[in-house]
Amino acid sequence: DTGVSQNPRHKITKRGQNVTFRCDPISEHNRLYWYRQTLGQGPEFLTYFQNEAQLEKSRLLSDRFSAERPKGSFSTLEIQRTEQGDSAMYLCASSLGTSGGIRSQETQYFGPGTRLLVL
Amino acid sequence: KQEVTQIPAALSVPEGENLVLNCSFTDSAIYNLQWFRQDPGKGLTSLLLIQSSQREQTSGRLNASLDKSSGRSTLYIAASQPGDSATYLCAVEADSWGKLQFGAGTQVVVTP
Repeated sequence: DTGVSQNPRHKITKRGQNVTFRCDPISEHNRLYWYRQTLGQGPEFLTYFQNEAQLEKSRLLSDRFSAERPKGSFSTLEIQRTEQGDSAMYLCASSLGTSGGIRSQETQYFGPGTRLLVL
Repeated sequence: KQEVTQIPAALSVPEGENLVLNCSFTDSAIYNLQWFRQDPGKGLTSLLLIQSSQREQTSGRLNASLDKSSGRSTLYIAASQPGDSATYLCAVEADSWGKLQFGAGTQVVVTP
């Protein structure tokens, strides 16, 4: 069982640079979520995919953030013109939802996260 | 707007004692509630998922209860061990797409 994987695990960048993170979900899972977690807080929802369709985006996801899930497999999260406030752990999760968009009754499986530090 | 609160923020107990972790939420219209464990610098591991129609779930030394009407869930960990030291997070699923809303977590230290 490969679980959810995320790369890179750590990223240090300078303010103003662009960064891209990758998430590989559990292979049969059709739902994929991105969350952001800052120190001492619980994860906050960023965006959600059902297969390749991005169905919801949080207000936290400014226009500097973009996420894709081509072909409904892996997903990427890109942050353009990074700011120090973007420093956080970025978590990806996947689950198996039923077809037709009916709510999932499966738990979400989380990856190890990508820790971003913007200097 | 749904708010999820976990009290206390931190807890230290000697090995062998039972742990009681609390989670409260403001809107009872939830689909399910999940408890997760997070080790320092790591991702989240799912412990228990309680459907909105259920009152409790059990897995080994873990038992979680859910009272939707009062907006509360409690995670019990029996006979705590040093390996139980971690941050425990509760999350409610409040929409049909599975989006989770988390509390800030309770940091647990079990001393030998």
